[in-house]
Amino acid sequence: DGGITQSPKYLFRKEGQNVTLSCEQNLNHDAMYWYRQDPGQGLRLIYYSQIVNDFQKGDIAEGYSVSREKKESFPLTVTSAQKNPTAFYLCASGGQGAHEQYFGPGTRLTVT
Amino acid sequence: GDSVTQMEGPVTLSEEAFLTINCTYTATGYPSLFWYVQYPGEGLQLLLKATKADDKGSNKGFEATYRKETTSFHLEKGSVQVSDSAVYFCALSPNQAGTALIFGKGTTLSVSS
Repeated sequence: DGGITQSPKYLFRKEGQNVTLSCEQNLNHDAMYWYRQDPGQGLRLIYYSQIVNDFQKGDIAEGYSVSREKKESFPLTVTSAQKNPTAFYLCASGGQGAHEQYFGPGTRLTVT
Repeated sequence: GDSVTQMEGPVTLSEEAFLTINCTYTATGYPSLFWYVQYPGEGLQLLLKATKADDKGSNKGFEATYRKETTSFHLEKGSVQVSDSAVYFCALSPNQAGTALIFGKGTTLSVSS
């Protein structure tokens, strides 16, 4: 079954701790994306990667970091520098030359 | 820059009613347009798409037509069901493939029996 997996579904952390969210895809897609969703605000782009070992900042990259060492994987680290990290995080991927993106089930992060 | 504006919700309908959710966009060139649906606690699912002017995307009884003259991509369904209750997002992809989507803020649809 092809698709995008994100783990865990729910994540709880204390303030000041870094946390890494997992995103894996077996769709053989070149491009991968991280979005953040807050109530009533739609989706905002954090980082994206069009190819292995390369990635670009999105609109709200401050306090986040990513890596793209494998085509299938695009983990997102939420650092302690992110001022308001509690949110729903969505990973997506897209094929070469394609405009549409396919989304994973999301990870809900709560930081207290 | 490019942007998407969609009608604010919530939209509350009775089962079998007609649905319209308005979406307009601002973009340079010829973007691709999408509707995504999100059920509670889940990720987004691609509902339908259109890649050029006058294209009509359709899926599961939902339709939307890419209108370049009015820069619109309104979502319609002739007869909604309770199971259609969800949040609907209009989105655009700029000219170049592989760049991020630009989303509207979403419209919540609630259908009662």
